[in-house]
Amino acid sequence: EPEVTQTPSHQVTQMGQEVILRCVPISNHLYFYWYRQILGQKVEFLVSFYNNEISEKSEIFDDQFSVERPDGSNFTLKIRSTKLEDSAMYFCASSTRDSSYEQYFGPGTRLTVT
Amino acid sequence: KNEVEQSPQNLTAQEGEFITINCSYSVGISALHWLQQHPGGGIVSLFMLSSGKKKHGRLIATINIQEKHSSLHITASHPRDSAVYICAGQYNTDKLIFGTGTRLQVFP
Repeated sequence: EPEVTQTPSHQVTQMGQEVILRCVPISNHLYFYWYRQILGQKVEFLVSFYNNEISEKSEIFDDQFSVERPDGSNFTLKIRSTKLEDSAMYFCASSTRDSSYEQYFGPGTRLTVT
Repeated sequence: KNEVEQSPQNLTAQEGEFITINCSYSVGISALHWLQQHPGGGIVSLFMLSSGKKKHGRLIATINIQEKHSSLHITASHPRDSAVYICAGQYNTDKLIFGTGTRLQVFP
């Protein structure tokens, strides 16, 4: 069964460093999402992406964040200058249609900023 | 403000029990998602519904639009059902608003 994959599973970085989290969505999906979950808190929406552009972003998704689909398969989340409070689990998801349709989640990348 | 509230926060059950998890939301929802999060952190979509009822195996999800309320039921619960169950609302945008989750533990 097709699945969303994410790499790395765990990333440790120093404050101020740039990180890129990678996702490979399901191949025929058109809508892509990033979410984050700070330890012990609820899942939060970061950004949605369709047709090579951001369709919606949350207040969390400030200028430090960017997303890209560099080729036909990868979908990346870049954090330019990480802060301690960026430590969280980051989930990628994809869907055949918009978010009124079922989303398929990746296993997540645990980002630890020290 | 668009919000999603879940209850209970924690739930324990004996194997075989019927389980209900509740979710209430503010007006304007266009779809309601139920998701399952395992101890390792992975999230699996269980249901997406905008009206009525859906069933998959021992899981049943219902939504009452007038009362702005959805329930997730698990029949004949099993220890492998132990997980966090999350409801999330979609409010006519791409953004999903997540509830805090219900931690379910089923004991043999």
